[in-house]
Amino acid sequence: AQSVTQPDIHITVSEGASLELRCNYSYGATPYLFWYVQSPGQGLQLLLKYFSGDTLVQGIKGFEAEFKRSQSSFNLRKPSVHWSDAAEYFCAVETLSQGGKLIFGQGTELSVKP
Amino acid sequence: DTEVTQTPKHLVMGMTNKKSLKCEQHMGHRAMYWYKQKAKKPPELMFVYSYEKLSINESVPSRFSPECPNSSLLNLHLHALQPEDSALYLCASSQGDRGLEAFFGQGTRLTVV
Repeated sequence: AQSVTQPDIHITVSEGASLELRCNYSYGATPYLFWYVQSPGQGLQLLLKYFSGDTLVQGIKGFEAEFKRSQSSFNLRKPSVHWSDAAEYFCAVETLSQGGKLIFGQGTELSVKP
Repeated sequence: DTEVTQTPKHLVMGMTNKKSLKCEQHMGHRAMYWYKQKAKKPPELMFVYSYEKLSINESVPSRFSPECPNSSLLNLHLHALQPEDSALYLCASSQGDRGLEAFFGQGTRLTVV
């Protein structure tokens, strides 16, 4: 069965510091992977996605993620965090089900300190 | 227009009430979704409509009844809900093929009293 694990429930970083959010997946075939961000009380916004090809993908807001098949990982990175990046981050894998069912990880809450 | 619009934004209802949540998109997307999200948890898929037909029902209780009147609209009819059904209900849409971005609405914050 497909699954997604985000090992870190909560991370705090200083503004301007670098960020890495971890994501591990379990999937039998080539996964379609996504990172979404959610501000409090809001919907989810797609940051980036990976289907195939270059394993380093660039997203919006200065985020990037690297797909590592050997480690079953898809970690999200940002070189310099801004206070506005404080939010909940979800990693997700898409299943083969009709309609593209997303399976989400538990989420990582990011706090940014001045 | 890359928006998914959900109404109302907030809803308080009693356990004997009947209410409906509405979702609209004008991106020509053929797949639409309802998710339920509890506080500090990831969204959980409830229903998927593909080409206006219900394609996935994740064993959701019958007190939740989805409806897709046309390709742009998705409703969720609520009846005899329980307090534990209080949550953020998110609607999303995508073009329906694999690996395409799902666009989410802002959600309806539902409180059942």
